[in-house]
Amino acid sequence: AQTVTQSQPEMSVQEAETVTLSCTYDTSESNYYLFWYKQPPSRQMILVIRQEAYKQQNATENRFSVNFQKAAKSFSLKISDSQLGDTAMYFCAFMMAPYRTGANSKLTFGKGITLSVRP
Amino acid sequence: DTGVSQDPRHKITKRGQNVTFRCDPISEHNRLYWYRQTLGQGPEFLTYFQNEAQLEKSRLLSDRFSAERPKGSFSTLEIQRTEQGDSAMYLCASSRGGTTYGYTFGSGTRLTVV
Repeated sequence: AQTVTQSQPEMSVQEAETVTLSCTYDTSESNYYLFWYKQPPSRQMILVIRQEAYKQQNATENRFSVNFQKAAKSFSLKISDSQLGDTAMYFCAFMMAPYRTGANSKLTFGKGITLSVRP
Repeated sequence: DTGVSQDPRHKITKRGQNVTFRCDPISEHNRLYWYRQTLGQGPEFLTYFQNEAQLEKSRLLSDRFSAERPKGSFSTLEIQRTEQGDSAMYLCASSRGGTTYGYTFGSGTRLTVV
């Protein structure tokens, strides 16, 4: 079974600064997908960024980038130039490759981290 | 594409009552997922459908829980004889096939059992 660990329950950052959210995971799979989801207060969860495990290059999406360390099973999210709208819970999630038996595109989530961006 | 809709947004019920939630996925999505999120936790998988077939159920889904997706369109999640431990946010999500690009989530139904 896969597990996802987010050990920091809360973080705070000044607007326009950079913040890094940590995530570690455990799996015996060699191919899988990792995600960061954002859940603003009372709003739906949206996908921030996605990483394929067999790709060494770290994914980037505008101000969001990841540091994917496969050997260390670490997947951190860096938010540059933080904005007030980045205030939300952020969840790290794992998905097995779909061709694996029992995969079913099921997501395994961490507990999340509450990020507050201060004006 | 109006996204994934969930109804109601909030539900308060007395312990022992039955409740039913509805999810309308994105129309061209053939997969539909239900997750449960309790306070301070990440979402946990409950069950999923491919078209009208329920293909997997989590151990979290006790006999009091039942989900349906008639005709592969909307889905309902029913909880019978609710307990205080059922209080949570119930999230629905949909996707096209066995996607590796994540899913589209609804805004959730927050259930409070008093």
